[in-house]
Amino acid sequence: AQSVSQHNHHVILSEAASLELGCNYSYGGTVNLFWYVQYPGQHLQLLLKYFSGDPLVKGIKGFEAEFIKSKFSFNLRKPSVQWSDTAEYFCAVNAKGGSYIPTFGRGTSLIVHP
Amino acid sequence: NAGVTQTPKFQVLKTGQSMTLQCAQDMNHEYMSWYRQDPGMGLRLIHYSVGAGITDQGEVPNGYNVSRSTTEDFPLRLLSAAPSQTSVYFCASSTPQGSSYNSPLHFGNGTRLTVT
Repeated sequence: AQSVSQHNHHVILSEAASLELGCNYSYGGTVNLFWYVQYPGQHLQLLLKYFSGDPLVKGIKGFEAEFIKSKFSFNLRKPSVQWSDTAEYFCAVNAKGGSYIPTFGRGTSLIVHP
Repeated sequence: NAGVTQTPKFQVLKTGQSMTLQCAQDMNHEYMSWYRQDPGMGLRLIHYSVGAGITDQGEVPNGYNVSRSTTEDFPLRLLSAAPSQTSVYFCASSTPQGSSYNSPLHFGNGTRLTVT
C-alpha cells in the first residue's frame, strides 16, 4: 500500500516570500500525484496533478510541482506567495494498479501574513 | 451543475444515536469515497466504492456502514455514534480516465459532525 509524508505541518510566511512544501511517497510502482488546496471553511480542490510526461507540472494560481522519481518526491513551489494563499495543502498519491482511490498526506497549514 | 452534494452541513448527535450522511453526485462518476478530516491527521479514507453495488473498506471503517445502490448516491451510516466520530466528513467522487487513473477527486462541501 502507498503512503504519503508531508514534512512541514505548519508554515508561516510573509507576502512575496517563496514557498516550497515537501511531499514524499512510498510506493515502488507507477503513481499519479496530486496537490489539493483547502481554503478556510471550504472543501478541497485540485491545485495540480502529475501522471506522466514533463516532471515539472504547473497548476493554478502560479503553483508548480516537480516530480523527482529517484527521490519519491513531489514538492510544491510558488515563487511569491500572497495573503490569499493562506490555506491547508494536501499531497496525495494514487498508485496505478491499486484501488485508484488516493492516499493523502496529513496536510500542511500555510499562513501568509500581509 | 451541482457536482457533489452533501447533507446535512452540520449535525449534533448524542452518543449511541444513529444517522445517515447523504452524498449525491450528478457527474456520472464511478468512484465515490468518504473521508474524515481531523486536525493533524489529514484525510483518512473510511469507505469507498468503484461502482454501483460495490463497496470496500478504507483505513478507518469501524463504526460506519455504506451502500451504493445507484451510481449517484453513496450514503454513510453511523451505526451508534461515539465522541471519537466527531469530525468533518467529506464525500468525493472521480472517474477513471482510460487506464491512467489520474482523474482528480471532486469533493462535497463537507458535514461537520459533533457527538456529545
